[in-house]
Amino acid sequence: DTAVSQTPKYLVTQMGNDKSIKCEQNLGHDTMYWYKQDSKKFLKIMFSYNNKELIINETVPNRFSPKSPDKAHLNLHINSLELGDSAVYFCASSQELGGAHTDTQYFGPGTRLTVL
Amino acid sequence: AQSVTQLGSHVSVSEGALVLLRCNYSSSVPPYLFWYVQYPNQGLQLLLKYTSAATLVKGINGFEAEFKKSETSFHLTKPSAHMSDAAEYFCAVSSNDYKLSFGAGTTVTVRA
Repeated sequence: DTAVSQTPKYLVTQMGNDKSIKCEQNLGHDTMYWYKQDSKKFLKIMFSYNNKELIINETVPNRFSPKSPDKAHLNLHINSLELGDSAVYFCASSQELGGAHTDTQYFGPGTRLTVL
Repeated sequence: AQSVTQLGSHVSVSEGALVLLRCNYSSSVPPYLFWYVQYPNQGLQLLLKYTSAATLVKGINGFEAEFKKSETSFHLTKPSAHMSDAAEYFCAVSSNDYKLSFGAGTTVTVRA
């Protein structure tokens, strides 16, 4: 059983398009995250939601908009895609927000976005 | 703000040899530290974490790490490398603003 799942796994699109990545967790966790991993494998948090409330919003362009319809889902919508958006996007979840700093985050398999 | 620095972007070891991955942290408060592993084309998976309970932390797959406050380090070791240990390893620190900050990662290759 997949704990954190993402769709699609691969996404190839043209500049200027709008796309969405979906994430679902079946762990019953309260907190979900989006991370971006660049070509050098550097991993940086983008957003975090706790019980559908936006908690962390890093310096991310307004073209990126997370949406959490319920605490088991956190989707990422990207408008007007640019070449620099090409990366691997990971969804993650944890029981608590930052887990009182000690909680384990469980990661999805990633979505490789390529913008042409 | 808390941060971690991983020394060495790439480590190559022979099968059966010691694996040593270095991580130093910067924190003004007692840190909570993690090691995650990323196998090719997969998401990250927790290897182990330090939560101030014990300075020597044992994780999965034979890995362990020791928290040394005097050296601000949290190095990851495994006595005997296996081919399946080839992966990307990330050290991370949990910060006061509820963020998990990752190091740049260390790629481990294992030679037969």
